[in-house]
Amino acid sequence: AQRVTQPEKLLSVFKGAPVELKCNYSYSGSPELFWYVQYSRQRLQLLLRHISRESIKGFTADLNKGETSFHLKKPFAQEEDSAMYYCALRTGRRALTFGSGTRLQVQP
Amino acid sequence: SAVISQKPSRDICQRGTSLTIQCQVDSQVTMMFWYRQQPGQSLTLIATANQGSEATYESGFVIDKFPISRPNLTFSTLTVSNLSPEDSSIYLCSVFADTQYFGPGTRLTVL
Repeated sequence: AQRVTQPEKLLSVFKGAPVELKCNYSYSGSPELFWYVQYSRQRLQLLLRHISRESIKGFTADLNKGETSFHLKKPFAQEEDSAMYYCALRTGRRALTFGSGTRLQVQP
Repeated sequence: SAVISQKPSRDICQRGTSLTIQCQVDSQVTMMFWYRQQPGQSLTLIATANQGSEATYESGFVIDKFPISRPNLTFSTLTVSNLSPEDSSIYLCSVFADTQYFGPGTRLTVL
């Protein structure tokens, strides 16, 4: 069965510090990996996906199949990055499977 | 893209009653999903509802408790039946277009 693990419930950093939100997955095939973000009082929205290999709002994530990881990184955190971040996995035509989420708190 | 609306946005219900949640999408989509997000927890898939076929439920969720309708390509309902306090959660509708989109959620509190 597929599984997504986010080991940190809360990550607190100061503005300008680097950020890395960890995500590991277990799946024997070739999954699609995503990061979703939920800002306060807003709906869940896609941040980025591994197949597009893009940078959104300064965030990047690289799929490491050897380590089965898809960590989310940003070199300089901003206060507006404070939100709940979910790593998610999709296989075939199934719905997304989510990790437990990490709350990022960027302090001034 | 897809824009999803849900009704109601929140409700407080008595134990033993039922609540039906409506999900409306601004475009025709084949694949629609219902998730539950319990307090402090992540999203758990309840079922997949594709138009023209019976909903497919995930382990731990049954049709008698969570009946789903999918009458057309833009609309679905999820009913949470015989409510208990353990059903207090946010229920989210989601669709797959070019990627997976989510509705704003329905916050259910059961007293």
